[in-house]
Amino acid sequence: SQTIHQWPATLVQPVGSPLSLECTVEGTSNPNLYWYRQAAGRGLQLLFYSVGIGQISSEVPQNLSASRPQDRQFILSSKKLLLSDSGFYLCAWSVWGTVETQYFGPGTRLLVL
Amino acid sequence: AQKVTQAQTEISVVEKEDVTLDCVYETRDTTYYLFWYKQPPSGELVFLIRRNSFDEQNEISGRYSWNFQKSTSSFNFTITASQVVDSAVYFCALSEAGSGGYQKVTFGTGTKLQVIP
Repeated sequence: SQTIHQWPATLVQPVGSPLSLECTVEGTSNPNLYWYRQAAGRGLQLLFYSVGIGQISSEVPQNLSASRPQDRQFILSSKKLLLSDSGFYLCAWSVWGTVETQYFGPGTRLLVL
Repeated sequence: AQKVTQAQTEISVVEKEDVTLDCVYETRDTTYYLFWYKQPPSGELVFLIRRNSFDEQNEISGRYSWNFQKSTSSFNFTITASQVVDSAVYFCALSEAGSGGYQKVTFGTGTKLQVIP
């Protein structure tokens, strides 16, 4: 069966510091991968998606970037965090090439102070 | 552009009551998919159901049931005999068949359900 991992689970970072959040998927090959952000009490905003290694598409211009160095690894980064980057970050995967369900990881709570 | 509206921001019910969560969607495509997810306090989104636009049969899974009506562009979710463990935020979502191996999913803003013991 497939599982998706995210770490860290919780992170408190000062403004201006770098960020690296990691997501890995097990039990499947060549998945689509997604990064979402959920601000407190709000819906989900798609940040990035990837249909293959090194292929990243951005939905919203911002302070963040994403990379996919391996087939089942998706990384969300920032060189300098802003207060507005605080939120709940969710990684998700789906089967490539189909309109399949997206399955979500446990999420990372980021607080920028 | 696709859109999902969950007009109910928060609902409170007493345990064992039935509750219906509303979802209305907009899309220009004839082929699309609808989803419901549950987000408990822990935060992880849990997939509940997926329906495609060609299957209007209602579905029942235990205490959960879903009513899909294309005529009104609605995909409502009913919990029968609610329990405290049902307390969560519920998201309705819409996906259109895309190209290039990717589909975009549009989420509603969620309905927070509180079940009071």
